Amino acid sequence: DTQMTQSPSILSASVGDRVTITCRASQSISTWLAWYQQKPGKAPKVLIYKASDLESGVPSRFSGSGSGTEFTLTISSLQPDDFATYYCQQYNNYPWTFGQGTKVDFK
Amino acid sequence: QVQLQESGPGLVKPSGTLSLTCAVSGGSISISNWWSWVRQPPGKGLEWIGEVHHSGGTNYNPSLKSRVTISVDKSKNQFSLKLNSVTAADTAVYYCASNGWFGSSRWFDPWGQGTLVTVSS
Repeated sequence: DTQMTQSPSILSASVGDRVTITCRASQSISTWLAWYQQKPGKAPKVLIYKASDLESGVPSRFSGSGSGTEFTLTISSLQPDDFATYYCQQYNNYPWTFGQGTKVDFK
Repeated sequence: QVQLQESGPGLVKPSGTLSLTCAVSGGSISISNWWSWVRQPPGKGLEWIGEVHHSGGTNYNPSLKSRVTISVDKSKNQFSLKLNSVTAADTAVYYCASNGWFGSSRWFDPWGQGTLVTVSS
């Protein structure tokens, strides 16, 4: 299995902060990576696919980068609606696997 | 716009079989190549269970493969999950999702709202 490791597990931030979450794969996955946002009691929602492509309707303050084994999700200016848990997911090889999640909460 | 809705018992006894159905609305189930089940134990992360192609082919997570069956019913525009020999460790919110609109589009979108299944006597 391809293990996905996110850091940090918890990130405390304030509105307006630039926030970066890292996701590392245990083997190369090219750019076959997606990022999701999940709020309590809700299903995850895709933000980014193919490492850097922004899903339609997702605010442009979200961006993704990386290839191979190291990836980042950046929120350029954190908004109140962005406090949530974020997951990365690889779809390079079976089984599809997720990172353990990064919770972004209020500082 | 395609929407997904999970249904099934919210309580299953230990050693029993968990059975869930995902109804697809807003389009034919053939509109996407692959349909998946993903689960999330309370307070924990996401785990992919397996997927079914609209033609009936399947792929499963090896960690669950011996206990899982996923099938598709085109006539009812739905797909289903069966997980047998359940234990308390299978207690989770179960989501259905699409993950194959075209060849390389294997991320999950859209998702159902999720349904909590508790394994308890």
